[in-house]
Amino acid sequence: GQSLEQPSEVTAVEGAIVQINCTYQTSGFYGLSWYQQHDGGAPTFLSYNALDGLEETGRFSSFLSRSDSYGYLLLQELQMKDSASYFCAVGSDYKLSFGAGTTVTVRA
Amino acid sequence: DSGVTQTPKHLITATGQRVTLRCSPRSGDLSVYWYQQSLDQGLQFLIQYYNGEERAKGNILERFSAQQFPDLHSELNLSSLELGDSALYFCASSPAGGMVNEQFFGPGTRLTVL
Repeated sequence: GQSLEQPSEVTAVEGAIVQINCTYQTSGFYGLSWYQQHDGGAPTFLSYNALDGLEETGRFSSFLSRSDSYGYLLLQELQMKDSASYFCAVGSDYKLSFGAGTTVTVRA
Repeated sequence: DSGVTQTPKHLITATGQRVTLRCSPRSGDLSVYWYQQSLDQGLQFLIQYYNGEERAKGNILERFSAQQFPDLHSELNLSSLELGDSALYFCASSPAGGMVNEQFFGPGTRLTVL
């Protein structure tokens, strides 16, 4: 089976940088994805890492270390609209398994 | 707007009842995935269909079933409902049928079982 661990909550001020870590255990691995979900809304895809290293998409970056079964999502220049839940997900056996999510609260 | 539609948006029913949730994937997408999200919980994968065929199964209860029709829309049937089935149910779609990390989620159906 799959298990993923990520912090439950992170609070930061506008303009700050936040790193959300994700460690996983899985049988079979096809990459680590990150999704954002605003309260009551639909999850939206942010990024995907299949290979080790850093992927940058605007203010958001994602990192993967396959040997450490570890990845992180980096949110830079935080804005109020970034207040949301962030989920890491691992792909294996034709399905995505999601972590429990990290609630990011951005304060003015 | 992801292009995935789900109906109804809200559903309130009683224990023991049966409901059907409907999902239309993005135009051209062949895969449909169903997820359950309970209060303060992550997304639990239920089942995937690709071009009408069941492709992968998660922790889907025997009381739940799904199908994908020739026009590619999908329905999730929940029967003998229990209080614990109250949750947000999301449908997602993708073009391919293999291991797909980028999925497009619909707005969800909020099911309340009283």
